Amino acid sequence: AQSVSQHNHHVILSEAASLELGCNYSYGGTVNLFWYVQYPGQHLQLLLKYFSGDPLVKGIKGFEAEFIKSKFSFNLRKPSVQWSDTAEYFCAVTSSTGKLIFGQGTTLQVKP
Amino acid sequence: EAGVAQSPRYKIIEKRQSVAFWCNPISGHATLYWYQQILGQGPKLLIQFQNNGVVDDSQLPKDRFSAERLKGVDSTLKIQPAKLEDSAVYLCASSSMGGQGVHEQYFGPGTRLTVT
Repeated sequence: AQSVSQHNHHVILSEAASLELGCNYSYGGTVNLFWYVQYPGQHLQLLLKYFSGDPLVKGIKGFEAEFIKSKFSFNLRKPSVQWSDTAEYFCAVTSSTGKLIFGQGTTLQVKP
Repeated sequence: EAGVAQSPRYKIIEKRQSVAFWCNPISGHATLYWYQQILGQGPKLLIQFQNNGVVDDSQLPKDRFSAERLKGVDSTLKIQPAKLEDSAVYLCASSSMGGQGVHEQYFGPGTRLTVT
């Protein structure tokens, strides 16, 4: 069965620090990978996605993620976080039916 | 473009009562999803519709949960009777047909259910 594991449940950073959130998945077939973000009081929204091609994917607000097939990983990165990046971040993988399987989420708190 | 609409936003009921949630997807989106998000966890798919047909309801507790999308547009999710462990946020999402067989899902604001 497919599954997604996020290593960090709660991350606290100061502004301008670099961010890396880990995500590993288990799925034997072709994968499509996503990072979603949920800002306080707002909807889940797509941050970035990987379907195929360049394994380094750039998303909104300066975020990027790298798909490493050999490691079954899709880690999220940002060189310099801002207070406004405080949110919950979810990694997800889809199967061929489009069903999204989410990780348990990482809460990021950025201190001003 | 209007987003996915859900109502109500909050609901508090006692156990053994029934409750219904409504979702109106983005216009033209053929696929509609209901997810359950328990506090501290990621969303979990309950049911997926393609137009008015069910694609996946493998994780829907069918003894108490039901969902319908009669005209292939809006959808209703019902719980009857509710249990304490049903306390969660119920998210609706929709997606359109796109290339590669994988479609970006757009989420509504969710309905926060508290069962006491």
